[in-house]
Amino acid sequence: EIVLTQSPATLSLSPGERATLSCGASQSVSSSYLAWYQQKPGLAPRLLIYNISNRATGIPDRFSGSGSGTDFTLTISRLEPEDFAVYYCQHYGTSPPTFGGGTKVEIK
Amino acid sequence: QVQLVESGGGVVQPGGSLRLSCAASGFTVSTCGMHWVRQALGKGLEWVAFIRYDGNNKYYADSVKGRFTISRDNSKNTLYLQMNSLRDEDTAVYYCATRHRSGWYLFDSWGQGTLVTVSS
Repeated sequence: EIVLTQSPATLSLSPGERATLSCGASQSVSSSYLAWYQQKPGLAPRLLIYNISNRATGIPDRFSGSGSGTDFTLTISRLEPEDFAVYYCQHYGTSPPTFGGGTKVEIK
Repeated sequence: QVQLVESGGGVVQPGGSLRLSCAASGFTVSTCGMHWVRQALGKGLEWVAFIRYDGNNKYYADSVKGRFTISRDNSKNTLYLQMNSLRDEDTAVYYCATRHRSGWYLFDSWGQGTLVTVSS
């Protein structure tokens, strides 16, 4: 099973700032099968990014993903008020799919 | 427009059973692989089970294998999760989700979730 470790656990930033979230895998993620989700309190997760860098339908271009092998990054270029939430990375190339522990992006 | 509505959650004693339902609209469940994913309160996400579009292949997390069964009723356009021999650690919000076209285990549309509490 691939273990995903996200850092930092909490990111305190102001609207308009740039957010950089990291996700490290215990082994290489096959075929670029790495995704990112956003979750707000009381709501289901929402798919943001898949295949490392492809934005899901309707996701604004201030969200971008990058990385390869075992190290991945989600970048939010300029934080909007609605972006403050918890973000999870996930690998989906093999079973079982696993999620990272999450990074909370909070208002500073 | 895809919509998923879970129901069937509640409080159950350890060792008990519960069946969750996920009513789908805007698409046909028989043409789409579907998942159950759970989240303990205040914790992270855990994949639980997957049923392929053909309904013949089902996959489970080790933590639930032999206790949970995923199924669907095409006539009702509904996905199910039968949960037996429930344990304290099964307490969570359970979400159903559709498979994304880009990967078996990539989650596209999600329901709002239903809370299962296992407690004596």
